[in-house]
Amino acid sequence: AQKVTQAQTEISVVEKEDVTLDCVYETRDTTYYLFWYKQPPSGELVFLIRRNSFDEQNEISGRYSWNFQKSTSSFNFTITASQVVDSAVYFCAFSLMNTGFQKLVFGTGTRLLVSP
Amino acid sequence: AAGVIQSPRHLIKEKRETATLKCYPIPRHDTVYWYQQGPGQDPQFLISFYEKMQSDKGSIPDRFSAQQFSDYHSELNMSSLELGDSALYFCASSPSGGRSNTEAFFGQGTRLTVV
Repeated sequence: AQKVTQAQTEISVVEKEDVTLDCVYETRDTTYYLFWYKQPPSGELVFLIRRNSFDEQNEISGRYSWNFQKSTSSFNFTITASQVVDSAVYFCAFSLMNTGFQKLVFGTGTRLLVSP
Repeated sequence: AAGVIQSPRHLIKEKRETATLKCYPIPRHDTVYWYQQGPGQDPQFLISFYEKMQSDKGSIPDRFSAQQFSDYHSELNMSSLELGDSALYFCASSPSGGRSNTEAFFGQGTRLTVV
């Protein structure tokens, strides 16, 4: 069975600080996807990124960056120069490729509070 | 661009009542997934449908049933509601049975409150 662990329940930072959200996954499968979703106070799930198990290249999108390391089964998410609008719950998620259906297994989420 | 539409957005029901949640996938998406997110919890997969057939099943109570119709919209029927059913229910859709190289697109959710 697959498992996603987000050990950080809540993180508080001051605006403009950098913050890294940790995600560790467990699987015996070799082909899978990893995701990050943002859930703002309004409740919707906002897709941020998807990576597949074949591609360990790090990715940067504006202030967001992701570090995927298969050796440590981690897919960490860094927000640079955080802003108040980044305050949300962030979920890391996993799905298997070979099932053919993208059923997501979520971590328990990390609540990020960015204060002015 | 059209997104996944869920209705209603909010629903209040009493214990032992029945609720029906609806999900309208993105056009040309043939696969629908339902998730339940309890207060302070992560979303949990309930059930999915591909081409109107159940494709996978998660931790869905026997009191719940769902189906996908010929126009690909899906309905989640919940009977004998319990207080613990209060949650945010998400629907997601994807094309090609989920086999395409894309993520599942989530709707905005239906917040069900059982009183």
